[in-house]
Amino acid sequence: EVQLVQSGAEVKKPGESLKISCKGSGYRFTNYWIGWVRQMPGKGLEWMGIIYPGDSETRYSPSFEGQVTISADKSISTVYLQWSSLKASDTAIYYCARQGDYVPNDYDIWGQGTMVTVSS
Amino acid sequence: DIQMTQSPSSLSASVGDRVTITCRASQSISNYLNWYQQKPGKAPKLLIFAASSLRSGVPSRFSGSGSGTDFTLTISSLQYEDFASYYCQQTYSSQSHTFGPGTKVDIK
Repeated sequence: EVQLVQSGAEVKKPGESLKISCKGSGYRFTNYWIGWVRQMPGKGLEWMGIIYPGDSETRYSPSFEGQVTISADKSISTVYLQWSSLKASDTAIYYCARQGDYVPNDYDIWGQGTMVTVSS
Repeated sequence: DIQMTQSPSSLSASVGDRVTITCRASQSISNYLNWYQQKPGKAPKLLIFAASSLRSGVPSRFSGSGSGTDFTLTISSLQYEDFASYYCQQTYSSQSHTFGPGTKVDIK
């Protein structure tokens, strides 16, 4: 079964660092782009950026460039999203999603989401 | 940056109703438009890709149309399980795959 499994919920304080993960299985992990999507409480979906695990080429939305870092470890089929200094406004659910291999592209497989709560 | 808008932002409908949601891009995106359904507490689910192609396993009551800047998602006969939020997304720009703000469909 093709799936993306994300790491569990996190509760952090402002200023702390965090790295959440998304592990792919059931397909050739290095051949598909993986994107990250933010959903703040009660709000819509926001596309953050995308990475190609095969060579770690990464693209960021202008809204998130410099705010987060997306990385990959293809040896363990895992993509990461990290923050160096969290803010309360980073409180959200974060989804990873696989970009399909046909053009026009879509996001056909989604992780279950990771809830990140940042509070003092 | 390509901006996406959706209308309406919410609607109330009854089972059996025909529902149409509109999505508009700030510039032409050809057919690089996808539709997703999201239920509370769940991850989004792909319904329609390339503006009008139905994803395998998605009921045929869902359909998409449009090209360029204007797109629609239609549910021909609303079922209980269709009450959810719906998002369009453009993947034309390689720099940002923007989502629309969403449309919440609830029970009248």
